[in-house]
Amino acid sequence: DADVTQTPRNRITKTGKRIMLECSQTKGHDRMYWYRQDPGLGLRLIYYSFDVKDINKGEISDGYSVSRQAQAKFSLSLESAIPNQTALYFCATAGSQTYTDTQYFGPGTRLTVL
Amino acid sequence: GDSVTQMEGPVTLSEEAFLTINCTYTATGYPSLFWYVQYPGEGLQLLLKATKADDKGSNKGFEATYRKETTSFHLEKGSVQVSDSAVYFCALSNLNQAGTALIFGKGTTLSVSS
Repeated sequence: DADVTQTPRNRITKTGKRIMLECSQTKGHDRMYWYRQDPGLGLRLIYYSFDVKDINKGEISDGYSVSRQAQAKFSLSLESAIPNQTALYFCATAGSQTYTDTQYFGPGTRLTVL
Repeated sequence: GDSVTQMEGPVTLSEEAFLTINCTYTATGYPSLFWYVQYPGEGLQLLLKATKADDKGSNKGFEATYRKETTSFHLEKGSVQVSDSAVYFCALSNLNQAGTALIFGKGTTLSVSS
């Protein structure tokens, strides 16, 4: 079984709808991240969390919110989706707070906002 | 702030050709450097990394050396295979980066034909 899972894998929605993307991990890691990938732009950080009580905004947090329900679960919400939030969204985890650590990525959620 | 620049793609090669994908970075201090690979329809996975100057990361025939004097971390492989076709991302993580999150280059698409 995959260590980092994301649901749904694909989602099409309409402008103004509320959407939640979910991430679960079985690696026992404390650090979790949400990134967004746009063609030609690489990945950019939306939010990160060091534990259930420590949640922080990243580079592009406007229009997004997150919830860390447990060590293993980190959800990303779009309160009112807009077309320029169409992108590929990745969750990632890492085991400690050192910057030398590898981050492990989920398979991604492809979101289309019409 | 810190940043990563990698060569534009796509890169198109024949099987058994030599591969170089250039990556340079701008950062204060001593960042860790990573190459991630994204196969079609999948999430990112670590290909190799180096955490201090002059370190060489290697995996699956790929190599990259952390060159602080030229602020570079170029990816090389002596003989590519069709199965190497993917998008390659250069990334860094730094002590002063929020959440020790990864900063990514824009990605380079590699297409290998038989």
